[in-house]
Amino acid sequence: DTEVTQTPKHLVMGMTNKKSLKCEQHMGHRAMYWYKQKAKKPPELMFVYSYEKLSINESVPSRFSPECPNSSLLNLHLHALQPEDSALYLCASSKLAGGNTDTQYFGPGTRLTVL
Amino acid sequence: GNSVTQMEGPVTLSEEAFLTINCTYTATGYPSLFWYVQYPGEGLQLLLKATKADDKGSNKGFEATYRKETTSFHLEKGSVQVSDSAVYFCALRGGNTPLVFGKGTRLSVIA
Repeated sequence: DTEVTQTPKHLVMGMTNKKSLKCEQHMGHRAMYWYKQKAKKPPELMFVYSYEKLSINESVPSRFSPECPNSSLLNLHLHALQPEDSALYLCASSKLAGGNTDTQYFGPGTRLTVL
Repeated sequence: GNSVTQMEGPVTLSEEAFLTINCTYTATGYPSLFWYVQYPGEGLQLLLKATKADDKGSNKGFEATYRKETTSFHLEKGSVQVSDSAVYFCALRGGNTPLVFGKGTRLSVIA
């Protein structure tokens, strides 16, 4: 089983709202990732967690706040977003954060619209 | 740094046609290479991978061979179906660097 689940599937929020995206995997993977994907573009890496610790933050604005409560869960807390933050947010996981044979498995994504 | 270049689409084919999507890469060392597929409105699915030179990845009738001498990992399928319509991303992973994606190739298969 290589399933990564994400909730919600769709989210519409205003610029003053606070919301959270959730991601879960039960493959025993110790690395989890958040990506942002705009239309007709490849995914862009936002954050990497390795063994529940933040290991990479790709200069993401502070209005995006990741959290890894345990090895199976990854959250992305959203606050004071801008309309240009509207995108598909993808979660992924892999066995390890390093090593070139490490394979990432992606969830179905959350389609976020900021009004 | 590491980079991936893949042919830009869109590619439009008739059902049962032969498919090739070119992918070349630049990397130091010995990266692993991947093809991901994204169907409309969905996330990315791993289609196939190869972790060393001359490896052939295959899945669902798709194949790609890791060619170190030409730094390529072209995706092929002998007979495409309408259900293969999607965006295909070539990607590489080298050492401790993050996954690097190509820009994606949109494939449309018409009946």
